[in-house]
Amino acid sequence: DGGITQSPKYLFRKEGQNVTLSCEQNLNHDAMYWYRQDPGQGLRLIYYSQIVNDFQKGDIAEGYSVSREKKESFPLTVTSAQKNPTAFYLCASSAQALAGGTDTQYFGPGTRLTVL
Amino acid sequence: GNSVTQMEGPVTLSEEAFLTINCTYTATGYPSLFWYVQYPGEGLQLLLKATKADDKGSNKGFEATYRKETTSFHLEKGSVQVSDSAVYFCALSDKGGANSKLTFGKGITLSVRP
Repeated sequence: DGGITQSPKYLFRKEGQNVTLSCEQNLNHDAMYWYRQDPGQGLRLIYYSQIVNDFQKGDIAEGYSVSREKKESFPLTVTSAQKNPTAFYLCASSAQALAGGTDTQYFGPGTRLTVL
Repeated sequence: GNSVTQMEGPVTLSEEAFLTINCTYTATGYPSLFWYVQYPGEGLQLLLKATKADDKGSNKGFEATYRKETTSFHLEKGSVQVSDSAVYFCALSDKGGANSKLTFGKGITLSVRP
């Protein structure tokens, strides 16, 4: 079964701790994305990567970091510098090639992070 | 920059009622347009899309037509079911260059009562 997996589904952390959210896809997609969803605000792009070993900041990258060492994996670290990290985090991927042309994005089930 | 505006919600309908959810956009060039649906506690699923003017996307009884003259992509369904209760997001992609990405509207919650 092809798809995107995110783990864990729920995550609780104490204030001041870094936490890493997992995202794995077996769709052989080039591009991967991280979004943050807050009530009434839609989705906001944190980081995206169009190819292995390369990534770009999205609209709200401050306090977050990512890596893309493998095509199928795009973990997101929420650092202690992120002022309000409690949110629902969604990972997505698409077959978009670096040369341009946007394809449909497919989403994982999400991770709900709560900072206590 | 690109932007997507959705009508204010939430929307509550009775089963079998007609549904319209408005979406308008601002973009340079000729974007692709999407509707995504999010069921409670889940990620987003693509509902339908259209890639050029006058295209009609359709899926599961939902339809939306890409109207370039009014920069709109309104979602419609002739007869909603309780199982259609979800959050609906309109989105666009600019299709151009190496940094193409999606811009989402704020989403609207639909509740369908039996």
